[in-house]
Amino acid sequence: GNSVTQMEGPVTLSEEAFLTINCTYTATGYPSLFWYVQYPGEGLQLLLKATKADDKGSNKGFEATYRKETTSFHLEKGSVQVSDSAVYFCALSDPDDMRFGAGTRLTVKP
Amino acid sequence: NAGVTQTPKFQVLKTGQSMTLQCAQDMNHEYMSWYRQDPGMGLRLIHYSVGAGITDQGEVPNGYNVSRSTTEDFPLRLLSAAPSQTSVYFCASRARQGSYEQYFGPGTRLTVT
Repeated sequence: GNSVTQMEGPVTLSEEAFLTINCTYTATGYPSLFWYVQYPGEGLQLLLKATKADDKGSNKGFEATYRKETTSFHLEKGSVQVSDSAVYFCALSDPDDMRFGAGTRLTVKP
Repeated sequence: NAGVTQTPKFQVLKTGQSMTLQCAQDMNHEYMSWYRQDPGMGLRLIHYSVGAGITDQGEVPNGYNVSRSTTEDFPLRLLSAAPSQTSVYFCASRARQGSYEQYFGPGTRLTVT
């Protein structure tokens, strides 16, 4: 079946540090891949997406590239801010079967 | 557009009580789903619907019922609440074509004592 595995947290970084959150997936078909972000007390919001191999999704300085050969969709940001503190979820949609990773909590300290 | 709305935001139930969590969307999305979020487990799919009159089970359906009489509404019923159902519940919707981006409601925090 389909599944998503992402790196366990929590992750704590200083402001302006480089961020990587690893995500790998298993899928029987050709899924779309997503990163969602959840701020405290809120629902999930779409951060970025990629719908086919080699696509790069980007938003608010975050990037992730759909790598079919390594079945990965790692999230990166060159310089994190305190306001990026949140829980990040990797997800796939194949297409009616949507799966989420366990989430990675990021804390950015000033 | 209100997007996806959920009520109530918070609820405390006693074991054995029943209740309905409400979910509505105004985006004319065909696909709606319910998830529960538990610490360290991400989101797990409870039930989903691909259109009015059609529902199906997700990963963790036991103890929950759903119905989809209209495109807009997708209520989740707890038949006899148990402490194991203490969780945060999210409703989501999306179109069935295109990029499959899901839109989430703000969540309902349920505690069963």
